[in-house]
Amino acid sequence: ETGVTQSPTHLIKTRGQQVTLRCSSQSGHNTVSWYQQALGQGPQFIFQYYREEENGRGNFPPRFSGLQFPNYSSELNVNALELDDSALYLCASSLGSGASQETQYFGPGTRLLVL
Amino acid sequence: GNSVTQMEGPVTLSEEAFLTINCTYTATGYPSLFWYVQYPGEGLQLLLKATKADDKGSNKGFEATYRKETTSFHLEKGSVQVSDSAVYFCALSDLSTDKLIFGTGTRLQVFP
Repeated sequence: ETGVTQSPTHLIKTRGQQVTLRCSSQSGHNTVSWYQQALGQGPQFIFQYYREEENGRGNFPPRFSGLQFPNYSSELNVNALELDDSALYLCASSLGSGASQETQYFGPGTRLLVL
Repeated sequence: GNSVTQMEGPVTLSEEAFLTINCTYTATGYPSLFWYVQYPGEGLQLLLKATKADDKGSNKGFEATYRKETTSFHLEKGSVQVSDSAVYFCALSDLSTDKLIFGTGTRLQVFP
């Protein structure tokens, strides 16, 4: 059974640029959630995708967007990068959606630095 | 809204000491509760979970009991090891969306 993988592991961008982060879900999982973890903080929910549709969104602006593909892998896109976007971005996969209360399994994260 | 509050760290202990990390929550209904652990430079690993009142989650010597009456899910371990040094996050799963709501994390440092 393959766990959750993310790419790239590290990334450096400048303000105003755009970035795409990728996530492959654990085998058999159909739901992907994205979280932002600022330094010294707990992860904050960005959004969730279930069967290629957005299924819940946290308090993040529209320049944070995502996709889920038929194989349930996912992308997080951030436009017009700001310095405060510097963080560890975590992807988590699970089976089911909504009120399923299934456990989410996390990938190792992508560390983004915006200069 | 739903929230999780954890004791501030760092928690500094000697090897073989008893560990308690306090966690309380505010939520509508009875969400599932989790403890995740984050080792330096890594993502989050699920440590244990409990899905209903009075459930006890346990793993690798760690335990936590879902206490509805005190809205708490405190993490305990009888004898910590140096390898337990990490940041521990308490979290709840929102009932309607499954999004996880995390506490701010508690850093544990164990010295030989």
